[in-house]
Amino acid sequence: SQQGEEDPQALSIQEGENATMNCSYKTSINNLQWYRQNSGRGLVHLILIRSNEREKHSGRLRVTLDTSKKSSSLLITASRAADTASYFCATYTAGNMLTFGGGTRLMVKP
Amino acid sequence: SQTIHQWPATLVQPVGSPLSLECTVEGTSNPNLYWYRQAAGRGLQLLFYSVGIGQISSEVPQNLSASRPQDRQFILSSKKLLLSDSGFYLCAWSVGGQRETQYFGPGTRLLVL
Repeated sequence: SQQGEEDPQALSIQEGENATMNCSYKTSINNLQWYRQNSGRGLVHLILIRSNEREKHSGRLRVTLDTSKKSSSLLITASRAADTASYFCATYTAGNMLTFGGGTRLMVKP
Repeated sequence: SQTIHQWPATLVQPVGSPLSLECTVEGTSNPNLYWYRQAAGRGLQLLFYSVGIGQISSEVPQNLSASRPQDRQFILSSKKLLLSDSGFYLCAWSVGGQRETQYFGPGTRLLVL
């Protein structure tokens, strides 16, 4: 099974609403990262949160990390149609291996 | 600034034909380099990574191979493609010696018929 598992697998909301995606992982981590992928494109790094951080903000993005529960959440506030994409969490496991979850497909309807 | 290039963007190949996908990075030295494959609607699977010229680690046994002939060049190859090799191939780089952000190329969509 994957190191990171996103929940839900798919999410459909109206423009202006908030979108929350969750990620669980199995092993201890140094940091956890969130990436975004538009359909048919490469991944874009959104935010990195370190294991000694509990919350981090970047624009309309808010990421939380609970190392006791081995979970993280990504909140997108005031969503826009342009936020429609797949969102992945990722953590480093052995060596230089960055392991990705299966992703959450977000659809923001105008 | 750093940039990463992949080509071609799209490729249609017959079963049994060879494959060569190229990835180059500009604006950085001694990067870690990675090849991933993504099946439709799925997450990424790490295929190979490299921490230096000629140093390749394989994560998934298969009929693909990788080479790093130059510091900022990473090549994914196959001698004979299988139908199951179809997918979206992504190259990425990260700062050498660090376990932090990876930067992805635009990807190559491969269809094996």
